[in-house]
Amino acid sequence: GEDVEQSLFLSVREGDSSVINCTYTDSSSTYLYWYKQEPGAGLQLLTYIFSNMDMKQDQRLTVLLNKKDKHLSLRIADTQTGDSAIYFCAESMGNNDMRFGAGTRLTVKP
Amino acid sequence: DTEVTQTPKHLVMGMTNKKSLKCEQHMGHRAMYWYKQKAKKPPELMFVYSYEKLSINESVPSRFSPECPNSSLLNLHLHALQPEDSALYLCASSQDLSRGVSQPQHFGDGTRLSIL
Repeated sequence: GEDVEQSLFLSVREGDSSVINCTYTDSSSTYLYWYKQEPGAGLQLLTYIFSNMDMKQDQRLTVLLNKKDKHLSLRIADTQTGDSAIYFCAESMGNNDMRFGAGTRLTVKP
Repeated sequence: DTEVTQTPKHLVMGMTNKKSLKCEQHMGHRAMYWYKQKAKKPPELMFVYSYEKLSINESVPSRFSPECPNSSLLNLHLHALQPEDSALYLCASSQDLSRGVSQPQHFGDGTRLSIL
């Protein structure tokens, strides 16, 4: 089974905030990532956080990391219809071992 | 726009055909990857090249043969594939792997492969 867990679906209304949650199990993870995948496209690296940080903000995106609980979240402020996609949480250790969650399908309703 | 370019975008082939997928990046990255992604699933790692040498093969069947001609190019040669090999094949790249620390991976848009 997967070591990175995410809820499969999230639905929000346009203009609201979206919060996508992820739990991971390997405390030695160095980087934690959020990727976005739109239909028919590859994975777009949205943002990432180094394991010695607890928060990172980039425009409408806020990443929170709780190392004690091994919990990572992605908050999207003022969610737009163009934010509808699948969001993958991923953790990496050394030697390019990167593990993905199953992905959360975000639906934004007008 | 992605900085990792994959060609072709779509490929339909029979089980006896031989074809190749191509990937190119000009970010100076020295690690390149092939992933396979089935519908509604996360990507699964197939191969990793580091400094043009194969460093990880995730027990991939020999009908998939990777090649890294130089630091910017990565190919995946396909021969005698099965219908279950139909999937989106993603290429990614990252900076070097010095000190064993992984760097963020940047993905291409993938090649959607259909095996008849």
